[in-house]
Amino acid sequence: AQKITQTQPGMFVQEKEAVTLDCTYDTSDQSYGLFWYKQPSSGEMIFLIYQGSYDEQNATEGRYSLNFQKARKSANLVISASQLGDSAMYFCAMNDDVSGGSNYKLTFGKGTLLTVNP
Amino acid sequence: DAGVIQSPRHEVTEMGQEVTLRCKPISGHDYLFWYRQTMMRGLELLIYFNNNVPIDDSGMPEDRFSAKMPNASFSTLKIQPSEPRDSAVYFCASSLYLGTQQETQYFGPGTRLLVL
Repeated sequence: AQKITQTQPGMFVQEKEAVTLDCTYDTSDQSYGLFWYKQPSSGEMIFLIYQGSYDEQNATEGRYSLNFQKARKSANLVISASQLGDSAMYFCAMNDDVSGGSNYKLTFGKGTLLTVNP
Repeated sequence: DAGVIQSPRHEVTEMGQEVTLRCKPISGHDYLFWYRQTMMRGLELLIYFNNNVPIDDSGMPEDRFSAKMPNASFSTLKIQPSEPRDSAVYFCASSLYLGTQQETQYFGPGTRLLVL
Protein backbone atom coordinates (compact mmCIF):
# COMPACT_ATOMS: atom_id res chain seq x y z
CA ALA A 1 0.00 0.00 0.00
CA GLN A 2 1.16 3.51 -0.72
CA LYS A 3 2.20 5.46 2.32
CA ILE A 4 0.86 8.73 0.98
CA THR A 5 -2.11 8.87 -1.38
CA GLN A 6 -3.23 11.98 -3.20
CA THR A 7 -6.27 10.96 -5.23
CA GLN A 8 -6.69 14.20 -7.17
CA PRO A 9 -4.22 14.50 -10.04
CA GLY A 10 -5.66 17.92 -10.87
CA MET A 11 -7.98 20.45 -9.30
CA PHE A 12 -9.50 23.69 -10.52
CA VAL A 13 -10.72 26.56 -8.37
CA GLN A 14 -11.99 30.05 -9.02
CA GLU A 15 -9.96 32.93 -7.69
CA LYS A 16 -11.00 33.99 -4.17
CA GLU A 17 -12.70 30.68 -3.45
CA ALA A 18 -11.48 28.00 -1.04
CA VAL A 19 -10.14 24.64 -2.18
CA THR A 20 -9.35 21.37 -0.39
CA LEU A 21 -6.58 19.08 -1.54
CA ASP A 22 -6.89 15.53 -0.28
CA CYS A 23 -4.21 13.42 1.34
CA THR A 24 -4.44 10.08 3.12
CA TYR A 25 -1.55 8.28 4.72
CA ASP A 26 -0.62 4.87 6.02
CA THR A 27 1.65 4.25 8.99
CA SER A 28 1.75 2.04 12.04
CA ASP A 29 3.76 4.61 14.00
CA GLN A 30 2.17 6.62 16.77
CA SER A 31 4.63 9.45 16.26
CA TYR A 32 4.80 11.00 12.83
CA GLY A 33 4.65 14.30 11.04
CA LEU A 34 2.65 15.45 8.07
CA PHE A 35 3.77 18.17 5.69
CA TRP A 36 2.55 20.01 2.65
CA TYR A 37 4.89 21.43 0.04
CA LYS A 38 4.14 23.65 -2.94
CA GLN A 39 6.03 23.31 -6.22
CA PRO A 40 5.33 26.13 -8.69
CA SER A 41 6.26 25.86 -12.33
CA SER A 42 9.67 27.30 -11.54
CA GLY A 43 10.45 24.03 -9.80
CA GLU A 44 11.43 24.84 -6.24
CA MET A 45 9.87 22.97 -3.31
CA ILE A 46 8.33 25.37 -0.80
CA PHE A 47 7.33 24.22 2.69
CA LEU A 48 3.79 25.31 3.56
CA ILE A 49 2.56 23.68 6.75
CA TYR A 50 3.26 20.96 9.30
CA GLN A 51 1.01 18.82 11.53
CA GLY A 52 2.31 16.53 14.25
CA SER A 53 0.49 13.31 15.05
CA TYR A 54 0.06 14.38 18.67
CA ASP A 55 -1.14 17.86 17.88
CA GLU A 56 -4.73 18.24 18.99
CA GLN A 57 -5.43 21.34 16.98
CA ASN A 58 -5.33 21.63 13.23
CA ALA A 59 -2.32 23.53 11.95
CA THR A 60 -2.82 26.89 10.27
CA GLU A 61 -0.41 29.16 8.41
CA GLY A 62 -2.01 32.23 6.94
CA ARG A 63 -4.38 31.10 4.19
CA TYR A 64 -3.31 27.48 4.62
CA SER A 65 -4.87 25.09 7.10
CA LEU A 66 -4.51 21.38 7.55
CA ASN A 67 -7.64 19.38 8.23
CA PHE A 68 -6.19 16.55 10.31
CA GLN A 69 -8.45 13.56 10.94
CA LYS A 70 -6.28 11.04 12.70
CA ALA A 71 -8.79 8.18 12.86
CA ARG A 72 -9.31 8.44 9.11
CA LYS A 73 -5.59 8.96 8.51
CA SER A 74 -6.24 12.00 6.41
CA ALA A 75 -4.42 15.33 6.28
CA ASN A 76 -6.18 17.53 3.77
CA LEU A 77 -4.83 20.96 2.86
CA VAL A 78 -7.32 23.80 2.74
CA ILE A 79 -6.39 26.97 0.88
CA SER A 80 -8.73 29.85 1.56
CA ALA A 81 -9.28 32.81 -0.76
CA SER A 82 -7.32 31.30 -3.65
CA GLN A 83 -5.00 33.54 -5.60
CA LEU A 84 -3.61 33.15 -9.11
CA GLY A 85 -0.19 32.60 -7.59
CA ASP A 86 -1.47 29.50 -5.83
CA SER A 87 -1.46 27.65 -9.13
CA ALA A 88 1.16 24.95 -8.59
CA MET A 89 1.74 21.30 -7.79
CA TYR A 90 1.06 20.45 -4.15
CA PHE A 91 2.69 17.53 -2.40
CA CYS A 92 1.64 15.87 0.82
CA ALA A 93 4.44 14.17 2.75
CA MET A 94 4.86 12.13 5.91
CA ASN A 95 7.86 11.76 8.17
CA ASP A 96 7.79 8.49 10.09
CA ASP A 97 10.17 5.92 11.47
CA VAL A 98 10.50 3.48 8.60
CA SER A 99 12.52 0.79 10.37
CA GLY A 100 11.79 1.19 14.05
CA GLY A 101 15.31 2.38 14.72
CA SER A 102 14.68 6.12 14.68
CA ASN A 103 15.26 6.17 10.94
CA TYR A 104 12.79 8.88 9.99
CA LYS A 105 12.21 9.39 6.31
CA LEU A 106 10.05 11.81 4.42
CA THR A 107 7.75 10.06 1.93
CA PHE A 108 5.93 12.11 -0.68
CA GLY A 109 2.65 11.62 -2.46
CA LYS A 110 2.42 11.98 -6.23
CA GLY A 111 1.01 15.47 -6.01
CA THR A 112 -2.05 17.44 -7.05
CA LEU A 113 -1.84 20.09 -9.74
CA LEU A 114 -3.95 23.07 -8.69
CA THR A 115 -5.07 25.61 -11.24
CA VAL A 116 -6.63 28.85 -10.06
CA ASN A 117 -8.88 30.45 -12.66
CA PRO A 118 -9.41 34.23 -12.79
CA ASP B 1 19.33 33.93 5.88
CA ALA B 2 20.42 31.99 2.83
CA GLY B 3 18.49 28.85 2.08
CA VAL B 4 19.86 25.65 0.64
CA ILE B 5 22.10 26.43 -2.32
CA GLN B 6 22.55 24.08 -5.24
CA SER B 7 24.73 24.28 -8.31
CA PRO B 8 24.53 24.09 -11.19
CA ARG B 9 20.87 24.90 -11.73
CA HIS B 10 20.91 23.23 -15.12
CA GLU B 11 23.25 20.63 -16.54
CA VAL B 12 23.26 19.10 -20.00
CA THR B 13 25.75 16.36 -20.66
CA GLU B 14 26.34 13.42 -22.92
CA MET B 15 25.93 9.81 -21.97
CA GLY B 16 29.05 8.42 -20.35
CA GLN B 17 30.22 11.71 -18.90
CA GLU B 18 30.73 12.34 -15.22
CA VAL B 19 28.27 14.70 -13.54
CA THR B 20 28.80 16.39 -10.19
CA LEU B 21 26.01 18.17 -8.38
CA ARG B 22 26.76 20.43 -5.45
CA CYS B 23 24.86 21.48 -2.36
CA LYS B 24 25.38 23.88 0.52
CA PRO B 25 22.90 23.25 3.35
CA ILE B 26 21.45 25.86 5.66
CA SER B 27 24.04 26.78 8.25
CA GLY B 28 23.59 24.87 11.47
CA HIS B 29 21.48 22.11 9.97
CA ASP B 30 22.77 18.68 10.92
CA TYR B 31 20.95 16.68 8.27
CA LEU B 32 21.35 16.78 4.51
CA PHE B 33 19.25 14.90 1.98
CA TRP B 34 19.53 14.21 -1.73
CA TYR B 35 16.31 13.57 -3.68
CA ARG B 36 15.54 12.82 -7.30
CA GLN B 37 12.30 13.86 -9.00
CA THR B 38 11.00 12.31 -12.20
CA MET B 39 7.57 12.21 -13.76
CA MET B 40 7.44 8.44 -13.52
CA ARG B 41 8.68 7.93 -9.97
CA GLY B 42 7.94 11.23 -8.28
CA LEU B 43 10.22 12.37 -5.46
CA GLU B 44 12.63 9.73 -4.21
CA LEU B 45 15.10 9.96 -1.36
CA LEU B 46 18.52 8.88 -2.55
CA ILE B 47 20.70 9.32 0.53
CA TYR B 48 20.92 11.35 3.70
CA PHE B 49 23.71 12.46 6.00
CA ASN B 50 23.85 13.29 9.69
CA ASN B 51 26.79 15.40 10.79
CA ASN B 52 28.54 14.63 7.49
CA VAL B 53 28.14 10.86 7.91
CA PRO B 54 25.99 8.91 5.41
CA ILE B 55 23.17 7.28 7.34
CA ASP B 56 20.96 5.69 4.74
CA ASP B 57 21.90 5.24 1.09
CA SER B 58 19.32 2.59 0.31
CA GLY B 59 17.75 4.87 -2.27
CA MET B 60 20.88 5.25 -4.37
CA PRO B 61 19.92 3.54 -7.62
CA GLU B 62 23.23 1.88 -8.44
CA ASP B 63 26.98 2.06 -8.09
CA ARG B 64 27.20 4.79 -10.68
CA PHE B 65 25.85 7.14 -8.02
CA SER B 66 27.96 8.32 -5.12
CA ALA B 67 27.57 11.08 -2.56
CA LYS B 68 29.99 12.72 -0.17
CA MET B 69 29.85 15.33 2.53
CA PRO B 70 33.40 16.38 3.35
CA ASN B 71 32.27 19.08 5.78
CA ALA B 72 29.15 20.57 7.32
CA SER B 73 28.66 23.11 4.56
CA PHE B 74 29.17 21.11 1.40
CA SER B 75 27.96 17.94 -0.26
CA THR B 76 28.28 16.43 -3.71
CA LEU B 77 26.28 13.90 -5.66
CA LYS B 78 28.24 12.32 -8.47
CA ILE B 79 27.05 10.19 -11.36
CA GLN B 80 29.73 8.33 -13.27
CA PRO B 81 29.10 7.34 -16.01
CA SER B 82 25.85 9.16 -16.65
CA GLU B 83 23.01 7.61 -18.65
CA PRO B 84 19.93 9.14 -20.29
CA ARG B 85 17.67 7.55 -17.65
CA ASP B 86 19.44 9.67 -15.03
CA SER B 87 17.76 12.75 -16.48
CA ALA B 88 15.75 14.27 -13.64
CA VAL B 89 15.62 17.13 -11.19
CA TYR B 90 17.92 16.54 -8.24
CA PHE B 91 17.08 18.30 -5.00
CA CYS B 92 19.16 18.81 -1.93
CA ALA B 93 17.40 19.49 1.36
CA SER B 94 18.51 20.10 4.92
CA SER B 95 16.96 19.99 8.35
CA LEU B 96 17.99 20.88 11.86
CA TYR B 97 17.03 17.60 13.44
CA LEU B 98 15.68 14.22 12.53
CA GLY B 99 14.31 11.47 14.66
CA THR B 100 11.51 13.71 15.72
CA GLN B 101 8.51 14.00 13.54
CA GLN B 102 8.30 17.71 13.39
CA GLU B 103 11.55 18.68 11.82
CA THR B 104 10.95 20.35 8.50
CA GLN B 105 13.19 19.74 5.53
CA TYR B 106 14.02 22.84 3.49
CA PHE B 107 14.75 22.28 -0.16
CA GLY B 108 17.18 23.89 -2.53
CA PRO B 109 16.10 25.10 -5.97
CA GLY B 110 17.14 21.83 -7.61
CA THR B 111 19.47 20.89 -10.45
CA ARG B 112 17.78 20.01 -13.71
CA LEU B 113 19.93 17.31 -15.33
CA LEU B 114 19.58 16.23 -18.93
CA VAL B 115 21.74 13.38 -20.20
CA LEU B 116 21.74 13.06 -23.99
